[in-house]
Amino acid sequence: DAGVTQSPTHLIKTRGQHVTLRCSPISGHKSVSWYQQVLGQGPQFIFQYYEKEERGRGNFPDRFSARQFPNYSSELNVNALLLGDSALYLCASRRGQQETQYFGPGTRLLVL
Amino acid sequence: AQTVTQSQPEMSVQEAETVTLSCTYDTSESDYYLFWYKQPPSRQMILVIRQEAYKQQNATENRFSVNFQKAAKSFSLKISDSQLGDAAMYFCAYRSVKTSYDKVIFGPGTSLSVIP
Repeated sequence: DAGVTQSPTHLIKTRGQHVTLRCSPISGHKSVSWYQQVLGQGPQFIFQYYEKEERGRGNFPDRFSARQFPNYSSELNVNALLLGDSALYLCASRRGQQETQYFGPGTRLLVL
Repeated sequence: AQTVTQSQPEMSVQEAETVTLSCTYDTSESDYYLFWYKQPPSRQMILVIRQEAYKQQNATENRFSVNFQKAAKSFSLKISDSQLGDAAMYFCAYRSVKTSYDKVIFGPGTSLSVIP
């Protein structure tokens, strides 16, 4: 089975722009979570979507939004980009509530 | 709020030797999950081992084992017979059973180098 996939792998944007990151979960996984990993730190939770509904949100501003599609893939959108949004954005999926998350390879976003 | 601490920013080990990575956490809950994830330079976060807090027996996965001390809120990872491919960032992580959503809290990580 294919693992979690993310696109693009790398992205360069300028301040004030908007960005959309995409994630495809492992087949059969209905939950998708997004994490931000700033260089030198551990990942921080942004969102979880389960069955196309937002189930939880971390301490991130409203500039960050996400959605999940009927095929359980997901998009993370960030508006009005700031320099501090430069990070590795990780997507993770899992099948059920008590099961382990599996991570994708991430999208490296650089904001200039 | 739960927190995860990894007090060793960097560690090194000789190939074939054993190394232990430390992790402590803070929580008021009695039931939760603990994880060790490995992140090599390729960036892919890989699950190494998982421990359920209600299980007293320490989890093991081949060369990887944990020492889970619930009262002390300690969760260390032992890597035996270290291999060059073990070189990576290692993150300790916590997840509550109670929360209705899937928030995993990560520590700051330990960078492990394996010396040939």
